[in-house]
Amino acid sequence: GAVVSQHPSWVICKSGTSVKIECRSLDFQATTMFWYRQFPKQSLMLMATSNEGSKATYEQGVEKDKFLINHASLTLSTLTVTSAHPEDSSFYICSARAGQLTGELFFGEGSRLTVL
Amino acid sequence: GEDVEQSLFLSVREGDSSVINCTYTDSSSTYLYWYKQEPGAGLQLLTYIFSNMDMKQDQRLTVLLNKKDKHLSLRIADTQTGDSAIYFCAESGKDGGSQGNLIFGKGTKLSVKP
Repeated sequence: GAVVSQHPSWVICKSGTSVKIECRSLDFQATTMFWYRQFPKQSLMLMATSNEGSKATYEQGVEKDKFLINHASLTLSTLTVTSAHPEDSSFYICSARAGQLTGELFFGEGSRLTVL
Repeated sequence: GEDVEQSLFLSVREGDSSVINCTYTDSSSTYLYWYKQEPGAGLQLLTYIFSNMDMKQDQRLTVLLNKKDKHLSLRIADTQTGDSAIYFCAESGKDGGSQGNLIFGKGTKLSVKP
């Protein structure tokens, strides 16, 4: 199947700093990528849709100034958590669509963020 | 509203069959999915079923869909210890999931005992 890779896998940072997470489609081009957040023992929640060459579309309740998304190329989307706080600690997962089947999403390995 | 429900835990012995159940609420969902998440990892698409199908079999996996009752199940035959993971059921919702906003259940943690 298609491969989506995230980096870093885990990151620990101090409160107030910014952290960038990369999501790459390794063997296909993705005009659209998606960013999710997963709390412990909870399901995934879609945060935003990242569109190559245009602004991201954020879900209701997600602060766009807090979670900056940049989709600069057909294989790379980045999520920057700005001025991170402990409540931002979570597991962040990206996905990208590959193939013709609507809704066929491939997910990255996830990035665990811990804010001290 | 849209909601997907799953039981949280399932424990089976190696070699037995596992059945993970899921109920969803959006009858207009076009696709229904099963994803597997191993510890510390992202989600892996296991299989999916189109809403006009009743059953889909893929090697050890069998998906059954009861559209009338909005019930989806995943059966894993000859369950192995490597199958231990969290299994997420997801529905595509009204737009067929084209916007990436699949609606996920909270996941069923499958433990396989040797």
